[in-house]
Amino acid sequence: EPEVTQTPSHQVTQMGQEVILRCVPISNHLYFYWYRQILGQKVEFLVSFYNNEISEKSEIFDDQFSVERPDGSNFTLKIRSTKLEDSAMYFCASSEADGYVKNIQYFGAGTRLSVL
Amino acid sequence: AQTVTQSQPEMSVQEAETVTLSCTYDTSESNYYLFWYKQPPSRQMILVIRQEAYKQQNATENRFSVNFQKAAKSFSLKISDSQLGDTAMYFCAFIDNYGQNFVFGPGTRLSVLP
Repeated sequence: EPEVTQTPSHQVTQMGQEVILRCVPISNHLYFYWYRQILGQKVEFLVSFYNNEISEKSEIFDDQFSVERPDGSNFTLKIRSTKLEDSAMYFCASSEADGYVKNIQYFGAGTRLSVL
Repeated sequence: AQTVTQSQPEMSVQEAETVTLSCTYDTSESNYYLFWYKQPPSRQMILVIRQEAYKQQNATENRFSVNFQKAAKSFSLKISDSQLGDTAMYFCAFIDNYGQNFVFGPGTRLSVLP
C-alpha cells in the first residue's frame, strides 16, 4: 500500500541552526501538509500546500518556517533558526485532489526533532 | 472556529472486551468529515475510521465502529474484541468540506490489559 515517507526519523540540532525535514508524499496526491506534535500535547496544523503554493497556514507557521516542493516527489519543511520550543514530532501528510477523498489525509511516521 | 473535545484522557480495557471512546465537536458547518486516528508508541499516525457528516449510517471497519450523532455533535469510537495491539493514543479529528481546518482533539490514551 502506498505510504507517506519521512526522513530522518530523528533529527538532533543545536539551537539557532537550520533544519530541513523531508517528506515524500503518496505519488498521485496533490495536497500536502505539515503538522507538529509537542510531546504530550495534541497534533497541531502548521501548513497546507497545493499547486506549488501555501493554501493555508496556522499562527504557528511564522517567518521561521518555510515549505518547498523542490522536485516532483519531495516536500520539505525548513526551520530557519531553531528554538528549544521547536522540539516536537513533525508529521507530513498528503491527500488526493478530487472530491471528498481530498479530505482524507494520510500521515507519515513523523520526524522527531530535538533542539539542544 | 471548530473545536474537538475528548473528555477521557486515559482509559483501559481488558483484552477481548469492548471499549468506547468519546468525542464531541463544535462547528457551524453542515458538511464535514470526522476521523479517528491511532498513534501507537511508535508515534505514527494511522487512520482508523472516517465518517462523512452527510451520511446517516455509522461507519464500520472490522472491529472498529462509530456512533455518529450529528445533532448532538458527538462521534464516539467503539472497539470490539480489544487486542493488545490496540494500545495507543486515539485522536478524534475534524475537517470541513473544503479540506481546510483540520482540527485534532487532545487524545485518549487507551491501554489494553492482558
